[in-house]
Amino acid sequence: AQKVTQAQTEISVVEKEDVTLDCVYETRDTTYYLFWYKQPPSGELVFLIRRNSFDEQNEISGRYSWNFQKSTSSFNFTITASQVVDSAVYFCALRQETSGSRLTFGEGTQLTVNP
Amino acid sequence: ETGVTQTPRHLVMGMTNKKSLKCEQHLGHNAMYWYKQSAKKPLELMFVYNFKEQTENNSVPSRFSPECPNSSHLFLHLHTLQPEDSALYLCASSQPDAGGYGYTFGSGTRLTVV
Repeated sequence: AQKVTQAQTEISVVEKEDVTLDCVYETRDTTYYLFWYKQPPSGELVFLIRRNSFDEQNEISGRYSWNFQKSTSSFNFTITASQVVDSAVYFCALRQETSGSRLTFGEGTQLTVNP
Repeated sequence: ETGVTQTPRHLVMGMTNKKSLKCEQHLGHNAMYWYKQSAKKPLELMFVYNFKEQTENNSVPSRFSPECPNSSHLFLHLHTLQPEDSALYLCASSQPDAGGYGYTFGSGTRLTVV
């Protein structure tokens, strides 16, 4: 069975603060892919990043960084120096190699960045 | 036009109406999906189509009827809906094995059943 848990339902920060969104996953596959998506108020889910299970290198893209740790089955997402435009719902998702194209999503974390 | 386009963006319908949601992609993808996103709930996968064939139906009530005439178009036909069906309906596309690259989503249709 595959499962994604985002324990933080809502997070509120003040602009310029750093914020980390947690994601914990469960899978029995050895090959799998993890994703983060951003959903702004407009509704469209925007792809942010993909990691495969064999690549544990952390990644940084501008103010965004991702920490993948297989030992704890976590794929956390950090926004540095948050901005009001970062306010959105963020989803973590998992695709198992044995599940075809099916993506399993977490419940999402609503991030609000206040000026 | 690029990406995944969904129409209409907003829809209000009565419980006895029949309406259809449309999704279109020109990304060359061969897999398309319908998701339902209700308030305070996770995204629920409804249907999966691969190469125009339905490969997954997650126990969706028959008042939702999908149609995939070709790999670029996906419809969701609605009839005799209930108020609890009010939600954001998202369409997505990908390569059938997703290639590890995940999905491309449309902006969704916000449906209100009155």
